[in-house]
Amino acid sequence: GAGVSQTPSNKVTEKGKYVELRCDPISGHTALYWYRQSLGQGPEFLIYFQGTGAADDSGLPNDRFFAVRPEGSVSTLKIQRTERGDSAVYLCASSEQGGPYEQYFGPGTRLTVT
Amino acid sequence: EDQVTQSPEALRLQEGESSSLNCSYTVSGLRGLFWYRQDPGKGPEFLFTLYSAGEEKEKERLKATLTKKESFLHITAPKPEDSATYLCAVQDGGGADGLTFGKGTHLIIQP
Repeated sequence: GAGVSQTPSNKVTEKGKYVELRCDPISGHTALYWYRQSLGQGPEFLIYFQGTGAADDSGLPNDRFFAVRPEGSVSTLKIQRTERGDSAVYLCASSEQGGPYEQYFGPGTRLTVT
Repeated sequence: EDQVTQSPEALRLQEGESSSLNCSYTVSGLRGLFWYRQDPGKGPEFLFTLYSAGEEKEKERLKATLTKKESFLHITAPKPEDSATYLCAVQDGGGADGLTFGKGTHLIIQP
């Protein structure tokens, strides 16, 4: 079946602009995660959704970052007033349910803030 | 705070030369330890989940083992297509579902 998909694959934006990154999880997966990966580092957890609600947003770096999952499927990560330090690959993962189960990752969106 | 340390940072082997990658971790209570493979420009690809000390899992040329403080990924007779970055991650028992990753081991298998 289809894996996790993310759009766009690449996004270049100017400092101060607003961006939205989209994630389509594997069909039927109730748990959805966002991570951020900088060059040479492992992924860093941002936020976890169980169904439509954000069950854990402790990894969001500040209030410029926000994510939604209104129908319990597709999720959008929103970044306001982008800064050059936000440049990274943003990864989405989904799992059948929350807990110690394998998370399947999408290909990521490479965000570059100029 | 959960911590995951992987070593070595990089490893270059000849085809057929077996070796092991190390993942040391500190968590309040381990719910699961995960191994992923990541190719350049792609998302991490799931390999294994280990839940308790003494557990082992195998897949082709890879075997993952777990103790109370560390995990090893053993690679037997590797091939050039095994070249990738191998990531280790933990999920703790404190209720957080997000994974804490190490920086990874960049493995190169030379023909």
